[in-house]
Amino acid sequence: DTGVSQDPRHKITKRGQNVTFRCDPISEHNRLYWYRQTLGQGPEFLTYFQNEAQLEKSRLLSDRFSAERPKGSFSTLEIQRTEQGDSAMYLCASSPGGAGTDTQYFGPGTRLTVL
Amino acid sequence: AQSVSQHNHHVILSEAASLELGCNYSYGGTVNLFWYVQYPGQHLQLLLKYFSGDPLVKGIKGFEAEFIKSKFSFNLRKPSVQWSDTAEYFCAVLNNAGNMLTFGGGTRLMVKP
Repeated sequence: DTGVSQDPRHKITKRGQNVTFRCDPISEHNRLYWYRQTLGQGPEFLTYFQNEAQLEKSRLLSDRFSAERPKGSFSTLEIQRTEQGDSAMYLCASSPGGAGTDTQYFGPGTRLTVL
Repeated sequence: AQSVSQHNHHVILSEAASLELGCNYSYGGTVNLFWYVQYPGQHLQLLLKYFSGDPLVKGIKGFEAEFIKSKFSFNLRKPSVQWSDTAEYFCAVLNNAGNMLTFGGGTRLMVKP
């Protein structure tokens, strides 16, 4: 399978704990994106990487959220001091990048439940 | 700021019925539009996209969408739905920088056999 993969698929945590999610993009895709989807809503953009550079992070929901893509391949999204309102599906997408408009391909998501 | 509205939240159809799902966007830049589908238990998949050129775009599984600039719309259509089309459908617009999709709230389609 050469699609976007995410790990774990499900995460249950207690309020106040830190969680980290991993995303592996499609091979050779330069761009990587994180979105959040809550029940009954469409995905909401969080942040974006071009290779290892995080070029857009103003949409991260609070300073408890951070993301990295240290070698320009996989990425991690960390949520510190989780709150019940953080419960959602966290989606990762990747795209080839380069010139012109390109298409984002989504992974299966990580479903976070904060108790 | 860009936004997308999908007015039909839930649609129930019988097999072989025709489908049209509404999508209206608000965006001042160059418009690049997408429809994604999420089948039960699966991840978001691209159905079709419009970047430029012919405003009638054909996608996978017999779906098509028409970009009507004057109406700020990008409605999704299929002449005859099948039970396997049961899914949630999302319309999205891409910003000019090409790095952020804004999604509508989705339309949940149920096709009765």
